[in-house]
Amino acid sequence: GENVEQHPSTLSVQEGDSAVIKCTYSDSASNYFPWYKQELGKRPQLIIDIRSNVGEKKDQRIAVTLNKTAKHFSLHITETQPEDSAVYFCAAKSTHGGYQKVTFGTGTKLQVIP
Amino acid sequence: EPEVTQTPSHQVTQMGQEVILRCVPISNHLYFYWYRQILGQKVEFLVSFYNNEISEKSEIFDDQFSVERPDGSNFTLKIRSTKLEDSAMYFCATTGTPIEQYFGPGTRLTVT
Repeated sequence: GENVEQHPSTLSVQEGDSAVIKCTYSDSASNYFPWYKQELGKRPQLIIDIRSNVGEKKDQRIAVTLNKTAKHFSLHITETQPEDSAVYFCAAKSTHGGYQKVTFGTGTKLQVIP
Repeated sequence: EPEVTQTPSHQVTQMGQEVILRCVPISNHLYFYWYRQILGQKVEFLVSFYNNEISEKSEIFDDQFSVERPDGSNFTLKIRSTKLEDSAMYFCATTGTPIEQYFGPGTRLTVT
């Protein structure tokens, strides 16, 4: 089955600096890679995603890159703000016909220091 | 904006009891999922459901668990005989087209 590894587990950055979170996956059939932000006690919220036929996607201060050959994808947050502090999860979704399965990474706790 | 809803928000039950967690998906969504998140840990896939049957399930989703869509709207997760280690946050998620998943607010299950 799919195995998604995520690093680092914790990340502290100064406000205004960039943050990078990296994930690797094992199943070459995975074709969709969402990133979620989860604040304490809340549901995961989709912040950006990328499909396997795209190498990079950007949405304002957030960008995601995908290297299919190496099976890794990364989240980049620029100009970090205190409200970016949360736990971030990557995920990989594999689809086999009508079957879908989503595997989450272990999470990165991001702390943005004002 | 349509949202996935879940009830109850918090369920306390005694070990060995049966619980049913309920989810109301977004109306035109086709795929439904249940996830579990033990406090402070990652989100774990339990099961996906499509066309009124299970599509995929994880090793966590053993015979104690079942899912169904009893009335065409609600999507339920049943745990037949709860164990202490079933205590967690349970999230329902649904997917339409495009394929982004929308998570419900979760049900916190506490087994005592």
